[in-house]
Amino acid sequence: GESVGLHLPTLSVQEGDNSIINCAYSNSASDYFIWYKQESGKGPQFIIDIRSNMDKRQGQRVTVLLNKTVKHLSLQIAATQPGDSAVYFCAENTSGGSNYKLTFGKGTLLTVNP
Amino acid sequence: DVKVTQSSRYLVKRTGEKVFLECVQDMDHENMFWYRQDPGLGLRLIYFSYDVKMKEKGDIPEGYSVSREKKERFSLILESASTNQTSMYLCASSLAGGRETQYFGPGTRLLVL
Repeated sequence: GESVGLHLPTLSVQEGDNSIINCAYSNSASDYFIWYKQESGKGPQFIIDIRSNMDKRQGQRVTVLLNKTVKHLSLQIAATQPGDSAVYFCAENTSGGSNYKLTFGKGTLLTVNP
Repeated sequence: DVKVTQSSRYLVKRTGEKVFLECVQDMDHENMFWYRQDPGLGLRLIYFSYDVKMKEKGDIPEGYSVSREKKERFSLILESASTNQTSMYLCASSLAGGRETQYFGPGTRLLVL
């Protein structure tokens, strides 16, 4: 979920388990969503995206689910590995207005225990 | 692969100095963006550009300016650095249009003393 204050929500999983990271978005007009992964000291890295005409999209070991009814997005990581440890955050784009802008969530810290 | 590079990974400057942060992308992207990232505040858009010599203010443009003289290069300028501009600065680029993925550079961690 989204962070409050200075502390990110955290998710701790065992290596090999599946991880689910959640994101609540605020604008019902948002029609494009992206998940990013940010490792310590690095820039955000694109993982997967989804448009609002879909409710599920799969990549390599990752699946994004979109529930427009409750304005909820989730990222599922299968067989989580230590290299998946990072901050994950979602971004949304709203049609109309300035189409260039993405609104970013504050992120969830995923820790994978070996 | 999209490649977005930033001129410095770490930078230390003094209050009042003029600071230039450079960003270059090699994918012929029309859009380029500058963000700052601070703990608890996430990514905040400073400025963006959708074409050469075009720029638009983001959410927090105060104290910053930008320059886009060539398509591949987008510069962020701190006219007179202040301590509250100590932050991680991230550059991103994307194809034309709004609903396109933004690709980020590695970031520049700026410390203003």
